[in-house]
Amino acid sequence: QKEVEQNSGPLSVPEGAIASLNCTYSDRGSQSFFWYRQYSGKSPELIMSIYSNGDKEDGRFTAQLNKASQYVSLLIRDSQPSDSATYLCAVVNTGGFKTIFGAGTRLFVKA
Amino acid sequence: KAGVTQTPRYLIKTRGQQVTLSCSPISGHRSVSWYQQTPGQGLQFLFEYFSETQRNKGNFPGRFSGRQFSNSRSEMNVSTLELGDSALYLCASSVAGGSNNEQFFGPGTRLTVL
Repeated sequence: QKEVEQNSGPLSVPEGAIASLNCTYSDRGSQSFFWYRQYSGKSPELIMSIYSNGDKEDGRFTAQLNKASQYVSLLIRDSQPSDSATYLCAVVNTGGFKTIFGAGTRLFVKA
Repeated sequence: KAGVTQTPRYLIKTRGQQVTLSCSPISGHRSVSWYQQTPGQGLQFLFEYFSETQRNKGNFPGRFSGRQFSNSRSEMNVSTLELGDSALYLCASSVAGGSNNEQFFGPGTRLTVL
């Protein structure tokens, strides 16, 4: 079992729709979770962090965390073509000094 | 505030050589992590440094090593290069690492081993 799993996609959604990206993790003691966006040929950039169960909203982005199910998700509302990128889920391990990244989900937003 | 910088941006080496990559974190950030990114394996954690101490290490052979200086700048070294070491090497900095590890990535160093 991979430490952090994501569907590789590609996930294709029409412009204006909600994109839903999912991630599961294996380290039950993890406390910190992040979503990064990576455009082709660029380095990852942080878009959301979440530490507590529930939802966290920031503009068009909502991160959801369920520690009991070891599940993290990212919702992108009103998706735009500029949101087309690879989205990486990242989890800090129990020891706290190692961040594990999922393989990423490629998102395409069709105009 | 300046972002994370990495030098060089591109490197071409041959098998058996060694290479040193450099990373300057955002001012005030004391934690530096290194990652290897390849199309097949994604982002793989190499190691993390804080206050000149390596706090964690990923599953890479001993040919991969690193260090951090008192000004938080970090270097990583790969000795006896192999073809499979061709990758994008990314460094990321954060204020203190640990659980609140919001990381900011540099542009990366693209290493090609021939």
